[in-house]
Amino acid sequence: DSGVTQTPKHLITATGQRVTLRCSPRSGDLSVYWYQQSLDQGLQFLIQYYNGEERAKGNILERFSAQQFPDLHSELNLSSLELGDSALYFCASSVVGGGVFPYGYTFGSGTRLTVV
Amino acid sequence: DAKTTQPTSMDCAEGRAANLPCNHSTISGNEYVYWYRQIHSQGPQYIIHGLKNNETNEMASLIITEDRKSSTLILPHATLRDTAVYYCIVRGSWGKLQFGAGTQVVVTP
Repeated sequence: DSGVTQTPKHLITATGQRVTLRCSPRSGDLSVYWYQQSLDQGLQFLIQYYNGEERAKGNILERFSAQQFPDLHSELNLSSLELGDSALYFCASSVVGGGVFPYGYTFGSGTRLTVV
Repeated sequence: DAKTTQPTSMDCAEGRAANLPCNHSTISGNEYVYWYRQIHSQGPQYIIHGLKNNETNEMASLIITEDRKSSTLILPHATLRDTAVYYCIVRGSWGKLQFGAGTQVVVTP
């Protein structure tokens, strides 16, 4: 157990629907990062939050949004889902906004989203 | 953040040392070299990181050349459980982790 909790582990939904993925960071970590990994693809950085504020954006579609709450958990909202959104979605956390910390990021076990 | 180049794949015999190379010729002075690995569909796992000096922990050793333009991750005694994709990432203090394609390592009996 890495200390980063992602729920649900699996999600199957239809095209056009909206889903919410949840991430609870490791205790003491202030930053949360979201990554997408499509089948046979690399890990694509989506977005980063630090202590409730958006810190960096990557290849995140406009149909996707995220937020980090006062208790530091984060949610990734995916709407108007398409077949191509089927992927593993990973959350990671770190102590600071991106500063050097001995262990870098700690990743959760991911949410597998299947859009049918 | 500097870009890295890694071989696409490599095989290693169980019990032998696995040496994974990484080129990062455009690395700047304040950028660290990080290594992560991802065992099939699991979340990436931190292995080791370094700036200038060679580093060793319970998982691996990291050898960084004097000019810092390349590095080698050494798994001293590879086991079947070390079969994974290994990512070499160069990151500054405030940069995000950008994953490339990595090296698929297959450890065979």
